[in-house]
Amino acid sequence: GNSVTQMEGPVTLSEEAFLTINCTYTATGYPSLFWYVQYPGEGLQLLLKATKADDKGSNKGFEATYRKETTSFHLEKGSVQVSDSAVYFCALGDAGNMLTFGGGTRLMVKP
Amino acid sequence: DTGVSQDPRHKITKRGQNVTFRCDPISEHNRLYWYRQTLGQGPEFLTYFQNEAQLEKSRLLSDRFSAERPKGSFSTLEIQRTEQGDSAMYLCASSPAGRWDEQFFGPGTRLTVL
Repeated sequence: GNSVTQMEGPVTLSEEAFLTINCTYTATGYPSLFWYVQYPGEGLQLLLKATKADDKGSNKGFEATYRKETTSFHLEKGSVQVSDSAVYFCALGDAGNMLTFGGGTRLMVKP
Repeated sequence: DTGVSQDPRHKITKRGQNVTFRCDPISEHNRLYWYRQTLGQGPEFLTYFQNEAQLEKSRLLSDRFSAERPKGSFSTLEIQRTEQGDSAMYLCASSPAGRWDEQFFGPGTRLTVL
């Protein structure tokens, strides 16, 4: 079956540091890949997505590239801000249309 | 656009009681999904509807769980004879026709079973 593994947190960074959150997946077929973000006290929000191999999703300075050969979809941002502190979830979706999520990675950015 | 809304936001119940949650999707979204999220974990799929038809159910959805979307608009999720293991955040999401990859989530209903 489908599964998503992402690095455990918390990840603690200083403001303006470079961010990488690793995500790998196992799936049959050709899934779409997603990053969702959950800010404190708020619901899940779609951050970015990629629908096929080598696609790059980007939003709000975050980006992730769909790597079929390594089954990965790592999230990166060049310079994090305090306001980026949240929990980030990697997910995949396939023809079944439901999403399979990783366990989440908490990011804490200190000023 | 008011987003996906869920009611109640919090529910505390005693073991063995029945509970019902409501989800109102974004207007004109024809797909509606239910997920469950336990503390420190990612959401897990439970079931989804296209209009009023329930198209898929996870094996997580035991016989004590039932979901409906009678008119293809709002949905209800009922848990009968609640158990402590049912304590979780229950999330609802909706997506527009033909865009299953754009699921918009509600704030969730947090259930605590004592």
